[in-house]
Amino acid sequence: KNEVEQSPQNLTAQEGEFITINCSYSVGISALHWLQQHPGGGIVSLFMLSSGKKKHGRLIATINIQEKHSSLHITASHPRDSAVYICAVKDDNTGNQFYFGTGTSLTVIP
Amino acid sequence: EPEVTQTPSHQVTQMGQEVILRCVPISNHLYFYWYRQILGQKVEFLVSFYNNEISEKSEIFDDQFSVERPDGSNFTLKIRSTKLEDSAMYFCATVRDRGRIDNEQFFGPGTRLTVL
Repeated sequence: KNEVEQSPQNLTAQEGEFITINCSYSVGISALHWLQQHPGGGIVSLFMLSSGKKKHGRLIATINIQEKHSSLHITASHPRDSAVYICAVKDDNTGNQFYFGTGTSLTVIP
Repeated sequence: EPEVTQTPSHQVTQMGQEVILRCVPISNHLYFYWYRQILGQKVEFLVSFYNNEISEKSEIFDDQFSVERPDGSNFTLKIRSTKLEDSAMYFCATVRDRGRIDNEQFFGPGTRLTVL
């Protein structure tokens, strides 16, 4: 079973700040998924990574396979970025089962 | 933009009753998942489904749970005899194909199940 840890658990930032959320996992993976969960509960896919780096708008996700670590960065943060950010991994051993982190709750203050 | 839909949005049931949660996947998606999230806890994998059969299931997915795609469009999760601890948000997610390991999942809005 893959243990997925996220840090920090909670994060409060001022609008405009650069934000980093970290995810580490215990077992080698085939893919890592960054998700955003809104206060109403809905989940939106942000990135699916198997190596390197991806960028979409103000969001950047990186993964270091050797170190079993991924980061999600938000540049020029905005109050609408306030949400829970979840990391989920699909490890090499379990085919298509995803293991989820507990999430990082981000609040961006105007 | 196509999206995954789920019904109902909220289901309240008595302990011991059967419930069926429904998901309509994006039309050209072939690979389906059910997840649950107990309030305040992390999302947990229940089951994955491909080509009309279960591909993988977690230890949570015991004999009380079943999935099917009865009519080629709806994808359902049935809980035969609900327990209090089944109260959670249940999410359906779909993937276009299983060939690419970096294919992202598209999540439905969830069904909140409350067992009394």
